[in-house]
Amino acid sequence: AQSVAQPEDQVNVAEGNPLTVKCTYSVSGNPYLFWYVQYPNRGLQFLLKYITGDNLVKGSYGFEAEFNKSQTSFHLKKPSALVSDSALYFCAVRDKNTDKLIFGTGTRLQVFP
Amino acid sequence: GAGVSQSPRYKVAKRGQDVALRCDPISGHVSLFWYQQALGQGPEFLTYFQNEAQLDKSGLPSDRFFAERPEGSVSTLKIQRTQQEDSAVYLCASSLAGYSYEQYFGPGTRLTVT
Repeated sequence: AQSVAQPEDQVNVAEGNPLTVKCTYSVSGNPYLFWYVQYPNRGLQFLLKYITGDNLVKGSYGFEAEFNKSQTSFHLKKPSALVSDSALYFCAVRDKNTDKLIFGTGTRLQVFP
Repeated sequence: GAGVSQSPRYKVAKRGQDVALRCDPISGHVSLFWYQQALGQGPEFLTYFQNEAQLDKSGLPSDRFFAERPEGSVSTLKIQRTQQEDSAVYLCASSLAGYSYEQYFGPGTRLTVT
C-alpha cells in the first residue's frame, strides 16, 4: 500500500531563517508526489509536484522540494521563511491505479517574527 | 479565473437528517474527487469521477453516503441519516485527466451533526 509520513506535527522557525518540512514516502514503483498548503477555513492550495525529471522541484511562493529516491523523501524547503508562511502543510502521493491522493497527517508550520 | 466552488460552506444538521453537498469543478476538468477531512487530520479519499462515471467509491464509509455527477460537471455528495461521526469538512477537488496533473481543491463544506 502506498503511504506518506510527516514525522513532525509542528515546525517552528524564525522569520528570515530557512525552513524544512519533512516527508517520506512508501510506494511501489516511481512515486508521484505533491505538497499542498492549507490556511484556516480554506481548502488546500497546490504548491508543487514531482512526477519525473529534476530532483529539485520549484513551486509557488518561493517553495521548493527535493526528491531523494535513496532516502524515499520529498522534503519541502524555503530559503527564507515569512510570517505569512504559517499554515498547515500536507504531503501527498498519487495512487497510480485510481488517481486519488493519499495524504500525510500534516505539519503545522509556525514562523515567528 | 473561477476555481472549484462548494456550497454550502457550513451546514448544521440534526442527527438523522439527510444532507446534500454541492461541488462545482473548474470548467473543463474531467476528474472530480471528494475527500473527508476530520479535525486535525489529513484529507481522506471518498470517491472519484471521470466525467459522469464513478470510477472509485471505495472510500465511502457506509451506504449512507452517495455521490453523483450526472452530466459530468457539477457533483453532489449526499449523506443520509447523518450521524455525529459524519461531522467533518468535505473537500471537493478537480483536475485534468492523467496522473501528472495536480488536483485543485474547493474551500470545503464544514458539516456539523448535532
